[in-house]
Amino acid sequence: DAKTTQPTSMDCAEGRAANLPCNHSTISGNEYVYWYRQIHSQGPQYIIHGLKNNETNEMASLIITEDRKSSTLILPHATLRDTAVYYCIVRVANQAGTALIFGKGTTLSVSS
Amino acid sequence: DTGVSQNPRHKITKRGQNVTFRCDPISEHNRLYWYRQTLGQGPEFLTYFQNEAQLEKSRLLSDRFSAERPKGSFSTLEIQRTEQGDSAMYLCASSKSTLAGGPTDTQYFGPGTRLTVL
Repeated sequence: DAKTTQPTSMDCAEGRAANLPCNHSTISGNEYVYWYRQIHSQGPQYIIHGLKNNETNEMASLIITEDRKSSTLILPHATLRDTAVYYCIVRVANQAGTALIFGKGTTLSVSS
Repeated sequence: DTGVSQNPRHKITKRGQNVTFRCDPISEHNRLYWYRQTLGQGPEFLTYFQNEAQLEKSRLLSDRFSAERPKGSFSTLEIQRTEQGDSAMYLCASSKSTLAGGPTDTQYFGPGTRLTVL
């Protein structure tokens, strides 16, 4: 079972920031938080990941609380093309490859 | 840098037929994963290769399913005697293993092969 809890759906106006929450209260010290998104009928797209510190890249920012029990993915200026299902995944960091365990994610709808 | 490619993109077959899908990972990625996704659900892990070795298989991978990665590059997933319940999107992802003690590898997905079993 997925080890994260996300809202089923969210709406956002185009041009505004989209803040997608994720609860991972049972996360272990050696687990990373990963975010992927999946636009309709396409493969999942990697967005960002982090361990303890906040992270930012060209797509998004990831804010992880100090206790690491929750995080927020921020799309600073949402566009219509950001409409997708967003998955928050926790994954152990080790040398061996490990499967991603997807939940049902959050369906983000961006409207004009 | 080309991404992960999968062929075919769509496959329609009749129940009982065999089908084979191909995945070409990002070059120099030594790990390759197969997932399956049914309508309304997130992807589910099927199996994983490091180079040519199949290191993990999910209980979802019944004996009708077989995956290979003979030279550690492309991989094939074959489904024998297809059933209607096999209708799904089959996704492939690849990654590059990291150094000891480093963060876990990041997986990059292909566009998927959508299978419809009539």
